[in-house]
Amino acid sequence: QQQVKQSPQSLIVQKGGISIINCAYENTAFDYFPWYQQFPGKGPALLIAIRPDVSEKKEGRFTISFNKSAKQFSLHIMDSQPGDSATYFCAASAGANNLFFGTGTRLTVIP
Amino acid sequence: ETGVTQSPTHLIKTRGQQVTLRCSSQSGHNTVSWYQQALGQGPQFIFQYYREEENGRGNFPPRFSGLQFPNYSSELNVNALELDDSALYLCASSLGGLAGSNEQFFGPGTRLTVL
Repeated sequence: QQQVKQSPQSLIVQKGGISIINCAYENTAFDYFPWYQQFPGKGPALLIAIRPDVSEKKEGRFTISFNKSAKQFSLHIMDSQPGDSATYFCAASAGANNLFFGTGTRLTVIP
Repeated sequence: ETGVTQSPTHLIKTRGQQVTLRCSSQSGHNTVSWYQQALGQGPQFIFQYYREEENGRGNFPPRFSGLQFPNYSSELNVNALELDDSALYLCASSLGGLAGSNEQFFGPGTRLTVL
């Protein structure tokens, strides 16, 4: 059973556009929601994370929107660049425990 | 501050063999988690070690075992390798305990191929 559901599976965006990736969860015990960026052959790199007491967090071009009542959260990449082309994973955890990952979104930014 | 390191980078084994993967945690971190990432999938939690004790385990059989050492480095051992064990094995370190954090930082992984 997939604890965190992620969509879309792949995404193609023009340079300068906005990339949006969505995730949903069921376990209300989750209290930490990070996003990871992974390049081929590399380990996931922590990009940005949010806790359920806030509805939005912004770091540079990356923004997480969080809807606690709907149990959904999303990653927005503003002014997408070719260097952003990678696979993005959402994840969730309860306390300082293991992360449950989504299935990933392969983002391609076309110059 | 050094990041998470893993060795070896790549490994090829045959079915039935045993393998040991190693991880050095980030400076100041006392918790190591291991994940298995199959091709095209998200990482799946194997187990976590906090201060040399197993602190949670995912849905993996007992032939997956681990250790954490006093310097917080860790090993993942897999016995009786099966073809489906072929994957990228990721180690993540974090700071656990009362002053801890949820943030987990991943190493580059070890690519295991089982023939």
